[in-house]
Amino acid sequence: GAVVSQHPSWVICKSGTSVKIECRSLDFQATTMFWYRQFPKQSLMLMATSNEGSKATYEQGVEKDKFLINHASLTLSTLTVTSAHPEDSSFYICSARDPRTSTYEQYFGPGTRLTVT
Amino acid sequence: DQQVKQNSPSLSVQEGRISILNCDYTNSMFDYFLWYKKYPAEGPTFLISISSIKDKNEDGRFTVFLNKSAKHLSLHIVPSQPGDSAVYFCAASEENTGNQFYFGTGTSLTVIP
Repeated sequence: GAVVSQHPSWVICKSGTSVKIECRSLDFQATTMFWYRQFPKQSLMLMATSNEGSKATYEQGVEKDKFLINHASLTLSTLTVTSAHPEDSSFYICSARDPRTSTYEQYFGPGTRLTVT
Repeated sequence: DQQVKQNSPSLSVQEGRISILNCDYTNSMFDYFLWYKKYPAEGPTFLISISSIKDKNEDGRFTVFLNKSAKHLSLHIVPSQPGDSAVYFCAASEENTGNQFYFGTGTSLTVIP
């Protein structure tokens, strides 16, 4: 199956700083990538849809100025958590659909654990 | 508002027996459903899917059943193996929303050797 990578896998940052998380499709080009957030023992919550070459579409309740998404190329989307606070600590996961397939499967990255101290 | 629900947070099954994981949804426009398996600190991996034109899809030990009138789907794993122990998420999508998926809260399956 298609491969999606994320970097870093784990990051600790101080409150008030910004953190960038990268999501890459390694063997396919993805015009659309998705960013999810998972709280402990809770569902994956879709944060935004990242579209290559255009602005991301954010879900209701997600602050677009706090969670900056850039989809600069067909294989890379970045999520920047700006002015991070402890409540932003979470597990962030990206996904992408392989346009070469006719199914709706989404391939997920391994996730990034963010801890804000 | 949780559009996809998994009411059982956990399930324990003896090795070799059948595991049945359930999922309910509220949006009648959902027409594509998937099950994902997730280990701690890892991203979900795709397991099996079903579209609304079918009521059953089988792949090896995994079978997904869809009851559209009840807005209910279930994942059957038989026989269950210890390696199946993980959190299972069901997800639903409406074709016209651009592949945005809505996930259930997950069911943690433990298969006891």
